[in-house]
Amino acid sequence: DAGVTQSPTHLIKTRGQQVTLRCSPKSGHDTVSWYQQALGQGPQFIFQYYEEEERQRGNFPDRFSGHQFPNYSSELNVNALLLGDSALYLCASSPEGNTKTGELFFGEGSRLTVL
Amino acid sequence: AQSVAQPEDQVNVAEGNPLTVKCTYSVSGNPYLFWYVQYPNRGLQFLLKYITGDNLVKGSYGFEAEFNKSQTSFHLKKPSALVSDSALYFCAVRDMAGYSTLTFGKGTMLLVSP
Repeated sequence: DAGVTQSPTHLIKTRGQQVTLRCSPKSGHDTVSWYQQALGQGPQFIFQYYEEEERQRGNFPDRFSGHQFPNYSSELNVNALLLGDSALYLCASSPEGNTKTGELFFGEGSRLTVL
Repeated sequence: AQSVAQPEDQVNVAEGNPLTVKCTYSVSGNPYLFWYVQYPNRGLQFLLKYITGDNLVKGSYGFEAEFNKSQTSFHLKKPSALVSDSALYFCAVRDMAGYSTLTFGKGTMLLVSP
């Protein structure tokens, strides 16, 4: 049973560019969340998708957007990249029926470097 | 809003000795608390959680955590540390007002020396 998979694992962009990160949730999971982990910090919640809709959002600007597909996979898009967007981007999945008490399952992340 | 504090940036312990990684929290209502571990260049792995019930929670790899409501703490413990336990540990609290989002502490690096 594959866990949460993310791609790409590493990428380098320049300021002003756009980036798309991808995530496939663990089998049987229909809820996908994205987190940003800056160097030396804990992960910070970006947004969560369920039934192809963004249903909760953290304190991130509109440059950060996402999408969820019918197969529950998800994309994170960041426009007009800033140096401060350099971070490890983590995708986490969970089954909707276990959203309150269950743990999140995390992928290994996509390391974005903005030059 | 909920928050988590991990007061130690780093904890050093000798192999075979007991370890404690500290965490305090602030939430309105009953807390749902979690510990995750992160190895270098890897994602987060779930260790254990407290939802309700016994204040001593047992988890993966021999770790346990003690929930103390009066001190609003949820310290991670292990009776005998291994060198392989060296990693970054995160405490997290669940957002009760929303869905399954987690608020994380800044993390504590655990270094276990041989």
